Amino acid sequence: DGGITQSPKYLFRKEGQNVTLSCEQNLNHDAMYWYRQDPGQGLRLIYYSQIVNDFQKGDIAEGYSVSREKKESFPLTVTSAQKNPTAFYLCASSIDLWRQGYGAFFGQGTRLTVV
Amino acid sequence: QQPVQSPQAVILREGEDAVINCSSSKALYSVHWYRQKHGEAPVFLMILLKGGEQKGHEKISASFNEKKQQSSLYLTASQLSYSGTYFCGTEERSNFGNEKLTFGTGTRLTIIP
Repeated sequence: DGGITQSPKYLFRKEGQNVTLSCEQNLNHDAMYWYRQDPGQGLRLIYYSQIVNDFQKGDIAEGYSVSREKKESFPLTVTSAQKNPTAFYLCASSIDLWRQGYGAFFGQGTRLTVV
Repeated sequence: QQPVQSPQAVILREGEDAVINCSSSKALYSVHWYRQKHGEAPVFLMILLKGGEQKGHEKISASFNEKKQQSSLYLTASQLSYSGTYFCGTEERSNFGNEKLTFGTGTRLTIIP
């Protein structure tokens, strides 16, 4: 079955440590996105990628980094520079942003808790 | 910059209607609507591409006023299953084509029997 997979579902890390969240899709989608969800703030865009080896900063990219070495994978690293990393992280993918009529598919999310 | 949704929350009795609004300060190429149940991933409902376009999905429909940079989601004869948080997503125009997909702050809809 085609889909988008995030792992792990729950992640605990000590303050000051970098952590990488995995996002894999087998939908053959060109575009991939990372969002952060906090209560009352909706979904905020961290990074997005339209093609392999290319990505752009979203609205809250500070303290995060990404890579897009393969079409299927778009891992997000939460660095120690991120001041408030505890949140629910959602990965999404869609057919090329330049095509019309298609929405985004979301993974089940990773809940990161930094202690 | 996130699109603005209103209201932030609404409580309805089963069978009542609701309207959720989404507005942006930027010119839009398209508007998406999603619903998220508690603890789950957002699920795509529909996308509107053209100014004035309206779409329907069972008793859930939406309109897009490109000139006003606004969209509205209409839920009629609401059912308990409609409960959740609704998000609008907007794609902004650029000289290079469509770009990032940005979501609003969400509208929490609660349906009571």
